[in-house]
Amino acid sequence: SQQGEEDPQALSIQEGENATMNCSYKTSINNLQWYRQNSGRGLVHLILIRSNEREKHSGRLRVTLDTSKKSSSLLITASRAADTASYFCATASNDYKLSFGAGTTVTVRA
Amino acid sequence: DAGVIQSPRHEVTEMGQEVTLRCKPISGHNSLFWYRQTMMRGLELLIYFNNNVPIDDSGMPEDRFSAKMPNASFSTLKIQPSEPRDSAVYFCASSRNGEETQYFGPGTRLLVL
Repeated sequence: SQQGEEDPQALSIQEGENATMNCSYKTSINNLQWYRQNSGRGLVHLILIRSNEREKHSGRLRVTLDTSKKSSSLLITASRAADTASYFCATASNDYKLSFGAGTTVTVRA
Repeated sequence: DAGVIQSPRHEVTEMGQEVTLRCKPISGHNSLFWYRQTMMRGLELLIYFNNNVPIDDSGMPEDRFSAKMPNASFSTLKIQPSEPRDSAVYFCASSRNGEETQYFGPGTRLLVL
């Protein structure tokens, strides 16, 4: 069953704009991860945030985590055409098991 | 360094046939995962191996599905007999013990007619 739920389901933005997507989950977690999936490809790990962290940055990515609200957000700044993909949050409650959300499809228009 | 390798990339078969999907994890990774992705159910974990031993197969849909990992560099997922509802993209992923990040292969797109 899916633990994370992403919002919105789809997002269309102009190149150079920021893209924000949210993830909500139900049970307590050890960490939350974001993955990207380009069309027809496998998932690629983007960033991991632990339950005791509130914010993390990696290049143009910024992730926040609010464990009291059981939610996370992923911000992509200065978007590029190459950022067009589906983005999934995945929660980890134990050593190995990741529960993935349904994903947010992001389209960056040139 | 090569990533996770899966074969075949595409498979079209008829209902009732046996299907075997193959995966080679990243060298040095101790954990291997098989996932299934569909539009209706999203990405589901089917089975997890650690050091070649199946640890959690609670996601395997039914007895028609079986998975093996005879050594650290090879795993198979078999469906026998296949049914149209098995049509999906099947991913293999691997990770190192102690690391939470999983590395995904390109997937096998299976269509059962």
